Amino acid sequence: DTAVSQTPKYLVTQMGNDKSIKCEQNLGHDTMYWYKQDSKKFLKIMFSYNNKELIINETVPNRFSPKSPDKAHLNLHINSLELGDSAVYFCASSQDRGARASETQYFGPGTRLLVL
Amino acid sequence: AQSVTQLGSHVSVSEGALVLLRCNYSSSVPPYLFWYVQYPNQGLQLLLKYTSAATLVKGINGFEAEFKKSETSFHLTKPSAHMSDAAEYFCAVSSDTGRRALTFGSGTRLQVQP
Repeated sequence: DTAVSQTPKYLVTQMGNDKSIKCEQNLGHDTMYWYKQDSKKFLKIMFSYNNKELIINETVPNRFSPKSPDKAHLNLHINSLELGDSAVYFCASSQDRGARASETQYFGPGTRLLVL
Repeated sequence: AQSVTQLGSHVSVSEGALVLLRCNYSSSVPPYLFWYVQYPNQGLQLLLKYTSAATLVKGINGFEAEFKKSETSFHLTKPSAHMSDAAEYFCAVSSDTGRRALTFGSGTRLQVQP
């Protein structure tokens, strides 16, 4: 069973389109994250949710909007896609034992977004 | 603010040789440190982590790392490289400041030559 899953795995789309990436975890974790990995492999946090509440919102264009319908899901919706949005987007989750940052984050397989 | 510096974007070793991947961190509060591995077209997998218990941390696949506060380092080592170790390795830091997100280094690509 996949612990953290993402759909789709690959996404090719035109500039200006709106797209969504879905993430689900079956680990019973309370905290979920979105990271962006650029073409140089650099990873950066975008958002973090704890029990459906937004706790981190980095300097990300407001075209990106996370949505957490329940604590097992954290979806990423992107409006008006731009060429620079091309990247690999990783979802992750972790347990929330007293809000400790030492908890392991478990990553999904990534969604490779290519904007043409 | 926290940051991680990984010295050497590419490291090449021969099969059976020692692997040493360098990581230095900066943190104004006690850090938690992680090493993750990323195989081609896959997600990140935790190799090991330091959470203020033992300074020498053993992980999966024969890897280990030592936390050295005086040197602000957390270098990753493996005594004998295997072809299957070829991958991208990321060092990351976090702390109990409320963010709980990982701050990653720029990664080191490990090549293993036969």
